[in-house]
Amino acid sequence: EVQLVESGGGLVQSGGSLRLSCAASGFTFSDYWMHWVRQAPGKGLVWVSRIDGGGSSTTYADSVKGRFSITRDNAKNMLYLQVNSLRAEDTAIYYCARTNTGGYFAYWGQGTLVTVSS
Amino acid sequence: QTVVTQEPSFSVSPGGTVTLTCGLNSGSVSTNYFPSWYQQTPGQAPRTLIYNTNTRSSGVPDRFSGSILGNKAALTITGAQADDESDYYCVLYMGSAIWVFGGGTKLTVL
Repeated sequence: EVQLVESGGGLVQSGGSLRLSCAASGFTFSDYWMHWVRQAPGKGLVWVSRIDGGGSSTTYADSVKGRFSITRDNAKNMLYLQVNSLRAEDTAIYYCARTNTGGYFAYWGQGTLVTVSS
Repeated sequence: QTVVTQEPSFSVSPGGTVTLTCGLNSGSVSTNYFPSWYQQTPGQAPRTLIYNTNTRSSGVPDRFSGSILGNKAALTITGAQADDESDYYCVLYMGSAIWVFGGGTKLTVL
């Protein structure tokens, strides 16, 4: 059974940093692209970032480019999102997700909440 | 800037049929955007309903179907049930490993 479990969220001051983690199990982790998707309180889903299976190719939404960094450790089946220079508008639940061939989001974690205080 | 458009809200009667759409602020949605659809209830992670325009995800009832209607992707629910009351999101693949979600549609069944 595919499982994605996020952790690392919390309350942080504006300008601060956090590292979000996602523990993956139930599949060959290195075979799949992985993503972070966020959802501000009461708002819609927003795609944040993607990394390829080997970890060498990354893409980002314009809103986070230069501040967020996605990485993975295939030996540990872990996905990460380093979030820097946090702003109030980064307050959201951050979901880890796996895409399947065809580029759709096939599996989702339960999310981790990041709250940025000003 | 690419904006994916969805109806903010929609209402359907129990047993009725409703079609939610997913468009672009400029241009038409085609199968080349690999549209997919997700259902989300409050406090829960999204659930995959439809991918690659019209393929149902495992376990999704056949009352959910996807298509291209005119210049938009569409999600049709036939025979709506009370537990279909949820938020529905589409996402389009823009190429170059970039995805954009629509703003979501809040569906009420009453």
